[in-house]
Amino acid sequence: AQRVTQPEKLLSVFKGAPVELKCNYSYSGSPELFWYVQYSRQRLQLLLRHISRESIKGFTADLNKGETSFHLKKPFAQEEDSAMYYCALLSGTYKYIFGTGTRLKVLA
Amino acid sequence: DTGVSQNPRHKITKRGQNVTFRCDPISEHNRLYWYRQTLGQGPEFLTYFQNEAQLEKSRLLSDRFSAERPKGSFSTLEIQRTEQGDSAMYLCASTQGGSGNTIYFGEGSWLTVV
Repeated sequence: AQRVTQPEKLLSVFKGAPVELKCNYSYSGSPELFWYVQYSRQRLQLLLRHISRESIKGFTADLNKGETSFHLKKPFAQEEDSAMYYCALLSGTYKYIFGTGTRLKVLA
Repeated sequence: DTGVSQNPRHKITKRGQNVTFRCDPISEHNRLYWYRQTLGQGPEFLTYFQNEAQLEKSRLLSDRFSAERPKGSFSTLEIQRTEQGDSAMYLCASTQGGSGNTIYFGEGSWLTVV
């Protein structure tokens, strides 16, 4: 079954500390993975996608097929990074499957 | 704002009543999704349209739920004989063209069934 797992509901870190938001997936084909973010009182929006292999707002994510993971990382957290983060898997050609989300709180 | 628009943003209804939500996607987007989100959960796939054709409907959508997208433009999601378990955020999203393109979400419609 296709599934996305985000084991942490809440992650609190201090400003300037490294951040890693975990995401594991289950998918029989070649996965295409995404991170979406929802800032307070804003709509859900794309943060980054693995095929782009880019860094957005200092965040990166590497697809590890051996561990079926797509963890989101940032070396130095900032207060404006506080938000809900959702990992998503594209199943087939159009269906996006989302994880349950991780709330990141960056403490001053 | 030329993003995905949803209305009403909030709806409180009595159990047993019917409700309808509307989604206006970004104008050139041919693909449209409905998702449902409850507290502590991520968005759950409900249904997908490519132009006016409804290509997939989740098992989460009971017979009380119906979605349409006439003429491949706006979409409506109707819930008949609402139940308390229908209380959730209903999200609409749209995208253009090929597989894997960025999907753009609306702000959602909150439904509370009392």
